[in-house]
Amino acid sequence: DGGITQSPKYLFRKEGQNVTLSCEQNLNHDAMYWYRQDPGQGLRLIYYSQIVNDFQKGDIAEGYSVSREKKESFPLTVTSAQKNPTAFYLCASSGGTGAYNEQFFGPGTRLTVL
Amino acid sequence: SQQGEEDPQALSIQEGENATMNCSYKTSINNLQWYRQNSGRGLVHLILIRSNEREKHSGRLRVTLDTSKKSSSLLITASRAADTASYFCATGHSGGSNYKLTFGKGTLLTVNP
Repeated sequence: DGGITQSPKYLFRKEGQNVTLSCEQNLNHDAMYWYRQDPGQGLRLIYYSQIVNDFQKGDIAEGYSVSREKKESFPLTVTSAQKNPTAFYLCASSGGTGAYNEQFFGPGTRLTVL
Repeated sequence: SQQGEEDPQALSIQEGENATMNCSYKTSINNLQWYRQNSGRGLVHLILIRSNEREKHSGRLRVTLDTSKKSSSLLITASRAADTASYFCATGHSGGSNYKLTFGKGTLLTVNP
């Protein structure tokens, strides 16, 4: 079964803690993305990676960090510096970095800060 | 910043009716995409229309693009209760070696049986 998996589905964090959200894909895609979605809102880009060992900040990167050591994996760490981390986090991948690529999304991780 | 703006924010129709959602954007694009999201789930790609295309069809979906007006519309014909979801437009930009999608806030479509 090809696709993108995210884990965990639900995550609870205490204030001041760092947490890492997992994203794995077996689609052999070069590009991967992390988005944040707040209630009733669209998606905002946190970070994206076009190739292994390279990543770029998106529109709301402050308080987040990523790594791309393997093509299949793009974990997102929500640090204590992120002041309002409660949100729905979506990971996506696409087959290339050209102008005409659809993105494939994982099922999402809902993060709640207690 | 969010480039696309969907209109209306919410739409409620009866099964069998057509649903039309609109998307406006501000700057030039390479392509425009429509996605669907069921509540609490990930997004599913529906259709991609390139900046040099004016209309595209996929099953019960019809998308138009007017680059002079910087707008697009998504038409779902003969709607079904299972079409109930949020629909997002996303504009594709490229600059240098970078490529990303910018999403609007979505239209919540409710199809009543």
